Amino acid sequence: DAGVIQSPRHEVTEMGQEVTLRCKPISGHNSLFWYRQTMMRGLELLIYFNNNVPIDDSGMPEDRFSAKMPNASFSTLKIQPSEPRDSAVYFCASRWQGSEAFFGQGTRLTVV
Amino acid sequence: GQQLNQSPQSMFIQEGEDVSMNCTSSSIFNTWLWYKQDPGEGPVLLIALYKAGELTSNGRLTAQFGITRKDSFLNISASIPSDVGIYFCAGLGSGGSNYKLTFGKGTLLTVNP
Repeated sequence: DAGVIQSPRHEVTEMGQEVTLRCKPISGHNSLFWYRQTMMRGLELLIYFNNNVPIDDSGMPEDRFSAKMPNASFSTLKIQPSEPRDSAVYFCASRWQGSEAFFGQGTRLTVV
Repeated sequence: GQQLNQSPQSMFIQEGEDVSMNCTSSSIFNTWLWYKQDPGEGPVLLIALYKAGELTSNGRLTAQFGITRKDSFLNISASIPSDVGIYFCAGLGSGGSNYKLTFGKGTLLTVNP
């Protein structure tokens, strides 16, 4: 398996623009997580999906953030409108129940 | 919410030295995980611990799940330059939170050749 695949690897956008981050989990995994990593706050869980259903979105910063998982092999994290403080590395991770989480390579987002 | 205190924040060592880092929590975890993150990459799992008191090795790495279930340590023996990176501990909760990985802030390891 190719592992968790995220795209794009890097994204630079202007403040106010919409940003969409994409994730393809490992085939057969039924849980998907979106994390945000910053120097100040470390790795923060944004949202957790189980069997494509959002279970815990308490980590989503505000209404500008939304995530979807239309099927077992694809998820998106959208920020609209983006702000400079959203600049961070966003990770997607997946797991099969009871197993460890496997992370993608991340998307480095810079909002100018 | 659950928090993990990971220490030290950073370490500068000479190649060949042993390294030890640890995590403590005020909450009980059912699983402890140790990840390593290389620059520009996502965290990669090094060791998983499932039972209180468990001591597990993976090559030069050794990790233990504390008896109280509130702490864990990771040791690296005979460090080499490729050990450079950020090491994270992570705890997996119990009951309704058994999906949620809580991460420590990481230990930045620098190895001087």
